[in-house]
Amino acid sequence: EAGVAQSPRYKIIEKRQSVAFWCNPISGHATLYWYQQILGQGPKLLIQFQNNGVVDDSQLPKDRFSAERLKGVDSTLKIQPAKLEDSAVYLCASSPGVVAGTGEQYFGPGTRLTVT
Amino acid sequence: KNEVEQSPQNLTAQEGEFITINCSYSVGISALHWLQQHPGGGIVSLFMLSSGKKKHGRLIATINIQEKHSSLHITASHPRDSAVYICAVRPDSNYQLIWGAGTKLIIKP
Repeated sequence: EAGVAQSPRYKIIEKRQSVAFWCNPISGHATLYWYQQILGQGPKLLIQFQNNGVVDDSQLPKDRFSAERLKGVDSTLKIQPAKLEDSAVYLCASSPGVVAGTGEQYFGPGTRLTVT
Repeated sequence: KNEVEQSPQNLTAQEGEFITINCSYSVGISALHWLQQHPGGGIVSLFMLSSGKKKHGRLIATINIQEKHSSLHITASHPRDSAVYICAVRPDSNYQLIWGAGTKLIIKP
């Protein structure tokens, strides 16, 4: 079974530039999560999708971050414009749970973003 | 006080040693996860527990719901086990995971 795919793996941009990350979850998984993990800290949930609907985006900085999951499959997370404090690893995870938040989460390899 | 506390924060051991990492939490939960994160950043889910004990290879995870405590054990540790081990709980009250700060494990050959 293929795992959660993410691209790119690494990205370096200057502040005020834009960046987009892509995630393809495990086939059939209804729930998709985007996390931000700053060095030395645990992951912070940015947004959770159930199929193509948003379940929770309370910690997403909506002035600069946006995410979508068209057709309930793969997802993109965008930052526009980036700030220095956005430097982090962005993790995508998926879960088969048909009830939001249930089930084991399977993580992708992450995208390491460096903002200079 | 954090809702999920892990101990120790850092652990260095020799190859072959029996390893124990602890996780205590202060909220009612419906599930507890143990995850492994290697330096490259990727996270692997090791166990999801709601009661009792689970075993996978050299890894054993236990949970005591009454005491709000879980342990992750590694038998016959190996340098490739070197990673950060993270405990995360799903509270009864909502579906968001609450993450521990992680335990950095180094196994020396």
